[in-house]
Amino acid sequence: ETGVTQTPRHLVMGMTNKKSLKCEQHLGHNAMYWYKQSAKKPLELMFVYSLEERVENNSVPSRFSPECPNSSHLFLHLHTLQPEDSALYLCASSQEPGTGGSYEQYFGPGTRLTVT
Amino acid sequence: KNQVEQSPQSLIILEGKNCTLQCNYTVSPFSNLRWYKQDTGRGPVSLTIMTFSENTKSNGRYTATLDADTKQSSLHITASQLSDSASYICVVSARGTYKYIFGTGTRLKVLA
Repeated sequence: ETGVTQTPRHLVMGMTNKKSLKCEQHLGHNAMYWYKQSAKKPLELMFVYSLEERVENNSVPSRFSPECPNSSHLFLHLHTLQPEDSALYLCASSQEPGTGGSYEQYFGPGTRLTVT
Repeated sequence: KNQVEQSPQSLIILEGKNCTLQCNYTVSPFSNLRWYKQDTGRGPVSLTIMTFSENTKSNGRYTATLDADTKQSSLHITASQLSDSASYICVVSARGTYKYIFGTGTRLKVLA
């Protein structure tokens, strides 16, 4: 679990606030992911970065804006969120599938986001 | 449509008992199947990963099976402990893509 860290662990924000979630991986991976986990729903893939380029964007509203400055860091910038965006946001990393790695994803502990 | 279905949704067992969780999938082309354990409010932690040619894989008291013909997998937990209380998530990935298809999980509660 310590291979992927996320901060903050808990965040409460109003609908007019701007905040950012941070993820850092220490595993030497070259792909990073943002997932949203709502109650009683499967994990929903939001964004994928491979070799610092965005390769997946699963129809996520523009109020969520990802940033990947390097292969070890991933951010999710939040602005004008809605109460239904309250969820656990999980970051994960893996080897990029095309490089012959195991493709296993390692998850961070998540950020519990509450939008009021 | 790529889907992963798990059963049961929830399960309560007594400490020391065994249990089996099920996963059915329709993901193509298949790459591998993993089982994750997720404690409440935490990120998922990998238990096993199996490729097309593997039928069974163990990790301590956890044993996963895979039948690629029927597209079914199971996770068997032996001699359950209180610490096994968690959600168990089946994840199937499509070959050569970033598509990891997650099931909704089975919530297991082990009682003393």
